Amino acid sequence: EIVLTQSPGTLSLSPGERATLSCRASQIVSSTYLAWYQRKPGQAPRLLIYGASSRASGIPDRFSGSGSGTDFTLTISRLEPEDFAVYYCQQYGGSRTWTFGQGTKVEIK
Amino acid sequence: QLQLRESGPGLVKPSETLSLTCTVSGDSFSSTSYYWGWIRQPPGKGLEWIGSIYYSGSTYYNPSLKSRVTISVDTSKNQFSLKVNSVTAADTALYYCVREITRGYYYGMDVWGQGTTVTVSS
Repeated sequence: EIVLTQSPGTLSLSPGERATLSCRASQIVSSTYLAWYQRKPGQAPRLLIYGASSRASGIPDRFSGSGSGTDFTLTISRLEPEDFAVYYCQQYGGSRTWTFGQGTKVEIK
Repeated sequence: QLQLRESGPGLVKPSETLSLTCTVSGDSFSSTSYYWGWIRQPPGKGLEWIGSIYYSGSTYYNPSLKSRVTISVDTSKNQFSLKVNSVTAADTALYYCVREITRGYYYGMDVWGQGTTVTVSS
């Protein structure tokens, strides 16, 4: 089973700053199978990025994903007030299984 | 526009069975392009995939939950359901139903229900 480890656990930043979130896999993951989600309090998670770097429908271009192999990154170029949330990476594995990372909280500094 | 809505009891007693239903509206549930799944989030913890089902009834489960979980489908009602047997306090969580895309370069959960809270307590 592939384990996804996200870092840092909490990121304290100010609006307008750049956020860089990391997701490290315990084994090589195909980029096709790596996704990122945003979860705000009281709301369901929202798909941001699929295929490691493709933005889902309606996602602003300040969100970008990159990486390959075991190391993946979600970058928010300039934080907007509505971007303060918890972010999860996810991988699709063999036998139709899914695994999530433990999440990174982006909080207002 | 596709919508998913979870329904079911919000309180379940320990050792009993948790049962939830997800109703799909606004699109064809029997599309061959999608799977349908359940995700949960215990208080203060992260997201956990429970299992998935295809409209034909093929199922896939998280190995850690497989012995206690059953997911079924009723295409005539555009619904799929989750049952978790022998629940404990550890099954207390916010439960979501989702639509899964697994084709080409698009692998992800693109539509989520609003979630329903289930508490296991006597």
